[in-house]
Amino acid sequence: EAGVTQFPSHSVIEKGQTVTLRCDPISGHDNLYWYRRVMGKEIKFLLHFVKESKQDESGMPNNRFLAERTGGTYSTLKVQPAELEDSGVYFCASSLQTGVAGELFFGEGSRLTVL
Amino acid sequence: AQSVTQPDIHITVSEGASLELRCNYSYGATPYLFWYVQSPGQGLQLLLKYFSGDTLVQGIKGFEAEFKRSQSSFNLRKPSVHWSDAAEYFCAVGPSGGYNKLIFGAGTRLAVHP
Repeated sequence: EAGVTQFPSHSVIEKGQTVTLRCDPISGHDNLYWYRRVMGKEIKFLLHFVKESKQDESGMPNNRFLAERTGGTYSTLKVQPAELEDSGVYFCASSLQTGVAGELFFGEGSRLTVL
Repeated sequence: AQSVTQPDIHITVSEGASLELRCNYSYGATPYLFWYVQSPGQGLQLLLKYFSGDTLVQGIKGFEAEFKRSQSSFNLRKPSVHWSDAAEYFCAVGPSGGYNKLIFGAGTRLAVHP
């Protein structure tokens, strides 16, 4: 069974440009999460989808970030325009359920470098 | 505010030596606690979790962790480290119930000398 896949694995862009990260969750997992690790610091929660609906987007840093999950399958996270402080590793995770039964399965992450 | 502190950014041990990675959390109620590992080129993998019950929990790859409420700690241990254990380790707390909206520490990078 395929795990959570993310691409690109690494993206280098200039400040002001746009980048779109994609996450394909494990098939059948309704729950999809985005997390971010900036500059080797803590991994921080960004948002949670249940199917195509945003269940919790309290961690999104500002309106330059747009997450979508059309059709409840894969998700995209767009950063527009990118700033230097957006550099980091963006992790996607999926789970079958939520709460104590909702073990998260993480992808390898997409590393974003903004110059 | 809830937080997780991993005091050691880097740790180096010799292969075969014992290991203890420290984790302290700040949370009012009984937390849901986790340890994850990220090996090079891989995603975060769950090593073990504590939800309730026995405060000493066993995980995969020979790891264990002990929940100490009085010290607000959840330290990860392994009696004998293998070279393949070289990775980055993250402690996390789940304040919203289980795996929802995890709060992670900054990670501890483990190097293993032959």
